[in-house]
Amino acid sequence: NAGVTQTPKFRILKIGQSMTLQCTQDMNHNYMYWYRQDPGMGLKLIYYSVGAGITDKGEVPNGYNVSRSTTEDFPLRLELAAPSQTSVYFCASTRHRQETQYFGPGTRLLVL
Amino acid sequence: DQQVKQNSPSLSVQEGRISILNCDYTNSMFDYFLWYKKYPAEGPTFLISISSIKDKNEDGRFTVFLNKSAKHLSLHIVPSQPGDSAVYFCAAGGLYNNNDMRFGAGTRLTVKP
Repeated sequence: NAGVTQTPKFRILKIGQSMTLQCTQDMNHNYMYWYRQDPGMGLKLIYYSVGAGITDKGEVPNGYNVSRSTTEDFPLRLELAAPSQTSVYFCASTRHRQETQYFGPGTRLLVL
Repeated sequence: DQQVKQNSPSLSVQEGRISILNCDYTNSMFDYFLWYKKYPAEGPTFLISISSIKDKNEDGRFTVFLNKSAKHLSLHIVPSQPGDSAVYFCAAGGLYNNNDMRFGAGTRLTVKP
Protein backbone atom coordinates (compact mmCIF):
# COMPACT_ATOMS: atom_id res chain seq x y z
CA ASN A 1 0.00 0.00 0.00
CA ALA A 2 1.33 3.39 -0.97
CA GLY A 3 -1.23 5.03 1.33
CA VAL A 4 -1.99 8.62 0.41
CA THR A 5 0.15 10.13 -2.32
CA GLN A 6 0.29 13.76 -3.39
CA THR A 7 1.80 15.44 -6.43
CA PRO A 8 3.63 17.69 -6.94
CA LYS A 9 5.81 18.00 -3.85
CA PHE A 10 6.57 21.64 -4.55
CA ARG A 11 5.33 24.24 -7.02
CA ILE A 12 5.83 27.92 -7.67
CA LEU A 13 2.90 29.72 -9.31
CA LYS A 14 2.51 33.23 -10.61
CA ILE A 15 -0.48 35.27 -9.48
CA GLY A 16 -3.49 34.41 -11.60
CA GLN A 17 -2.22 31.04 -12.77
CA SER A 18 -4.18 27.89 -12.17
CA MET A 19 -3.13 24.44 -11.10
CA THR A 20 -4.41 21.14 -9.78
CA LEU A 21 -2.99 19.42 -6.74
CA GLN A 22 -3.34 15.69 -7.07
CA CYS A 23 -4.24 13.29 -4.27
CA THR A 24 -4.63 9.53 -4.58
CA GLN A 25 -5.23 6.87 -1.96
CA ASP A 26 -5.12 3.10 -2.45
CA MET A 27 -6.83 2.07 0.78
CA ASN A 28 -10.39 2.18 -0.60
CA HIS A 29 -11.27 4.91 1.88
CA ASN A 30 -14.60 6.65 1.45
CA TYR A 31 -13.65 9.90 3.18
CA MET A 32 -11.07 12.26 1.78
CA TYR A 33 -9.97 15.72 2.92
CA TRP A 34 -7.90 18.68 1.83
CA TYR A 35 -6.18 20.83 4.45
CA ARG A 36 -3.86 23.77 4.27
CA GLN A 37 -1.27 24.67 6.84
CA ASP A 38 0.04 28.21 7.06
CA PRO A 39 3.18 29.03 9.06
CA GLY A 40 2.51 29.04 12.80
CA MET A 41 -1.05 27.84 12.30
CA GLY A 42 -2.88 24.56 12.58
CA LEU A 43 -4.29 22.65 9.66
CA LYS A 44 -7.48 24.10 8.25
CA LEU A 45 -10.01 22.07 6.29
CA ILE A 46 -10.62 23.31 2.74
CA TYR A 47 -12.93 20.67 1.28
CA TYR A 48 -13.90 17.13 2.05
CA SER A 49 -15.67 14.24 0.35
CA VAL A 50 -17.67 11.41 1.85
CA GLY A 51 -17.60 9.32 -1.29
CA ALA A 52 -17.35 9.43 -5.05
CA GLY A 53 -19.52 12.19 -6.44
CA ILE A 54 -20.04 13.91 -3.08
CA THR A 55 -18.05 16.91 -1.90
CA ASP A 56 -18.60 19.65 0.64
CA LYS A 57 -16.95 22.82 1.89
CA GLY A 58 -14.78 22.96 4.94
CA GLU A 59 -13.62 25.92 6.97
CA VAL A 60 -11.66 27.77 4.23
CA PRO A 61 -13.03 26.84 0.76
CA ASN A 62 -12.77 30.19 -1.03
CA GLY A 63 -10.49 30.12 -4.07
CA TYR A 64 -10.56 26.35 -4.41
CA ASN A 65 -12.60 23.68 -6.13
CA VAL A 66 -12.64 19.90 -5.84
CA SER A 67 -14.10 16.91 -7.59
CA ARG A 68 -14.39 13.25 -6.66
CA SER A 69 -15.12 11.13 -9.69
CA THR A 70 -13.49 8.00 -8.25
CA THR A 71 -12.94 6.60 -4.77
CA GLU A 72 -9.17 6.86 -5.20
CA ASP A 73 -8.70 10.42 -6.42
CA PHE A 74 -9.53 13.78 -4.89
CA PRO A 75 -7.89 16.63 -6.85
CA LEU A 76 -7.85 20.20 -5.54
CA ARG A 77 -8.09 22.97 -8.13
CA LEU A 78 -6.81 26.54 -7.75
CA GLU A 79 -8.30 28.66 -10.53
CA LEU A 80 -6.70 32.07 -9.96
CA ALA A 81 -3.73 31.71 -7.67
CA ALA A 82 -3.24 34.47 -5.10
CA PRO A 83 -0.34 35.09 -2.68
CA SER A 84 -2.71 34.24 0.18
CA GLN A 85 -2.77 30.67 -1.13
CA THR A 86 0.92 30.20 -0.40
CA SER A 87 0.81 27.29 2.02
CA VAL A 88 1.47 23.61 2.52
CA TYR A 89 -1.44 21.47 1.38
CA PHE A 90 -2.20 18.08 2.91
CA CYS A 91 -4.58 15.49 1.62
CA ALA A 92 -5.97 12.88 4.02
CA SER A 93 -8.31 9.92 3.93
CA THR A 94 -10.16 7.67 6.31
CA ARG A 95 -12.35 4.62 5.93
CA HIS A 96 -15.02 5.64 8.37
CA ARG A 97 -15.99 9.03 9.70
CA GLN A 98 -14.96 8.26 13.24
CA GLU A 99 -11.59 6.79 12.38
CA THR A 100 -8.34 8.70 12.38
CA GLN A 101 -7.08 10.20 9.17
CA TYR A 102 -4.12 9.10 7.08
CA PHE A 103 -2.22 12.02 5.61
CA GLY A 104 -0.19 12.42 2.46
CA PRO A 105 3.30 14.01 2.53
CA GLY A 106 2.04 17.43 1.49
CA THR A 107 2.45 19.85 -1.42
CA ARG A 108 4.29 23.07 -0.77
CA LEU A 109 2.87 25.88 -2.92
CA LEU A 110 4.40 29.30 -3.37
CA VAL A 111 2.42 31.98 -5.20
CA LEU A 112 4.46 34.98 -6.33
CA ASP B 1 -11.00 31.66 15.59
CA GLN B 2 -8.48 29.38 17.20
CA GLN B 3 -10.61 26.76 18.85
CA VAL B 4 -7.59 24.59 19.60
CA LYS B 5 -4.45 26.19 20.97
CA GLN B 6 -0.98 24.90 21.61
CA ASN B 7 0.68 27.76 23.42
CA SER B 8 4.21 26.39 23.38
CA PRO B 9 5.72 26.50 19.90
CA SER B 10 8.70 24.47 21.04
CA LEU B 11 9.92 22.22 23.82
CA SER B 12 13.34 20.77 24.48
CA VAL B 13 13.97 17.85 26.83
CA GLN B 14 16.81 15.50 27.65
CA GLU B 15 16.70 11.89 26.50
CA GLY B 16 15.13 9.67 29.15
CA ARG B 17 13.15 12.46 30.77
CA ILE B 18 9.45 13.17 30.46
CA SER B 19 8.05 15.35 27.68
CA ILE B 20 4.75 17.10 28.39
CA LEU B 21 2.94 18.77 25.53
CA ASN B 22 -0.14 20.84 26.27
CA CYS B 23 -3.28 21.75 24.35
CA ASP B 24 -6.29 23.90 25.23
CA TYR B 25 -9.63 24.05 23.45
CA THR B 26 -12.60 26.38 23.66
CA ASN B 27 -15.48 24.44 22.14
CA SER B 28 -17.29 22.38 24.77
CA MET B 29 -18.94 20.35 22.01
CA PHE B 30 -15.65 18.64 21.16
CA ASP B 31 -15.75 15.06 22.35
CA TYR B 32 -12.85 13.45 20.56
CA PHE B 33 -9.22 14.48 20.79
CA LEU B 34 -6.17 13.27 18.94
CA TRP B 35 -2.46 13.82 18.83
CA TYR B 36 -0.57 13.63 15.55
CA LYS B 37 3.16 13.56 15.06
CA LYS B 38 4.87 15.11 12.06
CA TYR B 39 8.40 14.70 10.77
CA PRO B 40 9.85 17.16 8.22
CA ALA B 41 8.67 16.63 4.62
CA GLU B 42 6.10 14.08 5.75
CA GLY B 43 2.40 14.28 6.54
CA PRO B 44 1.10 14.04 10.09
CA THR B 45 0.69 10.52 11.47
CA PHE B 46 -1.76 9.52 14.15
CA LEU B 47 -0.27 8.96 17.58
CA ILE B 48 -2.98 8.57 20.20
CA SER B 49 -6.56 9.63 20.84
CA ILE B 50 -9.04 10.01 23.67
CA SER B 51 -12.78 10.41 23.81
CA SER B 52 -14.51 12.65 26.29
CA ILE B 53 -15.81 9.73 28.33
CA LYS B 54 -12.26 9.04 29.49
CA ASP B 55 -9.71 11.15 31.28
CA LYS B 56 -6.67 9.09 30.39
CA ASN B 57 -5.51 6.87 27.58
CA GLU B 58 -2.18 5.10 27.47
CA ASP B 59 -0.26 3.49 24.63
CA GLY B 60 3.24 2.40 25.48
CA ARG B 61 5.38 5.45 26.23
CA PHE B 62 2.55 7.82 25.27
CA THR B 63 -0.25 8.90 27.59
CA VAL B 64 -2.92 11.48 26.88
CA PHE B 65 -4.74 13.17 29.76
CA LEU B 66 -8.03 15.02 29.32
CA ASN B 67 -9.38 17.58 31.79
CA LYS B 68 -12.82 18.45 30.48
CA SER B 69 -13.61 21.06 33.10
CA ALA B 70 -10.44 22.95 32.19
CA LYS B 71 -10.81 22.18 28.48
CA HIS B 72 -7.23 20.99 28.50
CA LEU B 73 -5.39 17.95 27.31
CA SER B 74 -1.79 16.94 27.53
CA LEU B 75 0.48 14.36 25.98
CA HIS B 76 3.12 12.72 28.14
CA ILE B 77 6.03 10.88 26.60
CA VAL B 78 8.04 8.76 29.03
CA PRO B 79 10.89 8.15 28.55
CA SER B 80 11.61 10.59 25.74
CA GLN B 81 13.84 9.36 22.92
CA PRO B 82 15.71 11.30 20.22
CA GLY B 83 13.43 9.69 17.62
CA ASP B 84 10.50 11.47 19.26
CA SER B 85 11.85 14.78 17.96
CA ALA B 86 9.06 16.05 15.71
CA VAL B 87 6.18 18.50 15.58
CA TYR B 88 3.16 17.37 17.59
CA PHE B 89 -0.33 18.54 16.66
CA CYS B 90 -3.33 18.40 18.89
CA ALA B 91 -6.71 18.02 17.16
CA ALA B 92 -10.28 18.09 18.44
CA GLY B 93 -13.67 17.39 16.99
CA GLY B 94 -16.70 15.18 17.12
CA LEU B 95 -16.33 11.48 17.78
CA TYR B 96 -18.70 10.65 14.97
CA ASN B 97 -17.78 13.50 12.70
CA ASN B 98 -14.31 13.74 11.22
CA ASN B 99 -15.46 16.51 8.95
CA ASP B 100 -14.87 19.34 11.34
CA MET B 101 -11.63 18.56 13.13
CA ARG B 102 -9.76 21.57 14.44
CA PHE B 103 -6.02 21.48 14.76
CA GLY B 104 -3.60 23.34 16.97
CA ALA B 105 -0.56 25.07 15.51
CA GLY B 106 1.80 22.38 16.75
CA THR B 107 4.65 22.11 19.25
CA ARG B 108 8.13 21.25 18.04
CA LEU B 109 9.69 18.74 20.43
CA THR B 110 13.44 18.29 20.49
CA VAL B 111 14.84 15.41 22.53
CA LYS B 112 18.56 15.83 23.16
CA PRO B 113 20.78 12.75 23.49
